[in-house]
Amino acid sequence: DTEVTQTPKHLVMGMTNKKSLKCEQHMGHRAMYWYKQKAKKPPELMFVYSYEKLSINESVPSRFSPECPNSSLLNLHLHALQPEDSALYLCASSQGQGRGYGYTFGSGTRLTVV
Amino acid sequence: AQSVSQHNHHVILSEAASLELGCNYSYGGTVNLFWYVQYPGQHLQLLLKYFSGDPLVKGIKGFEAEFIKSKFSFNLRKPSVQWSDTAEYFCAVNAGDYKLSFGAGTTVTVRA
Repeated sequence: DTEVTQTPKHLVMGMTNKKSLKCEQHMGHRAMYWYKQKAKKPPELMFVYSYEKLSINESVPSRFSPECPNSSLLNLHLHALQPEDSALYLCASSQGQGRGYGYTFGSGTRLTVV
Repeated sequence: AQSVSQHNHHVILSEAASLELGCNYSYGGTVNLFWYVQYPGQHLQLLLKYFSGDPLVKGIKGFEAEFIKSKFSFNLRKPSVQWSDTAEYFCAVNAGDYKLSFGAGTTVTVRA
């Protein structure tokens, strides 16, 4: 299995809703990432997990809450989002954190906040 | 902080034309370099990567890239494009920390 699987593929949520994005990989990768991508823009790093521990938070608002239940799963919990949070949310994984590793990206969750 | 510059914002060309997209980065140490492609409405796909060794890297779909260390460049090329190459292309650099830094992207439109 050489894929990163993200669910759901599309999500529409209201500003008072609570929802979660899920990411799963079975490649034995020990680093996992959340990126946010707006239309026609490059992905922006949000969070990095290394060996199931949060290693980097790129000053992301607390309405985004990541969780890594085990080495194969990564969640992003969403609460009280704003319309400007609408974007494509990408999960990625790599064998380790740092240089020398390739990254595998999932197909993303397209989030619309109404 | 490392940065990645892609010279062209939007490139328009005809089928069978040759394509070259420029990418420069600012980090002075050892880097890993990547080119990703994103077709309309789809996710990022890795075209090719450079870690070490031969600076001329061949990737999928007929793409290649050349790493020129002295110029801090990693330009992407394809000798003859097809309509299906219409996409957004991103250069990315990992300089040894946690972060894969992306360029702003180049939109390539191939006219049939």
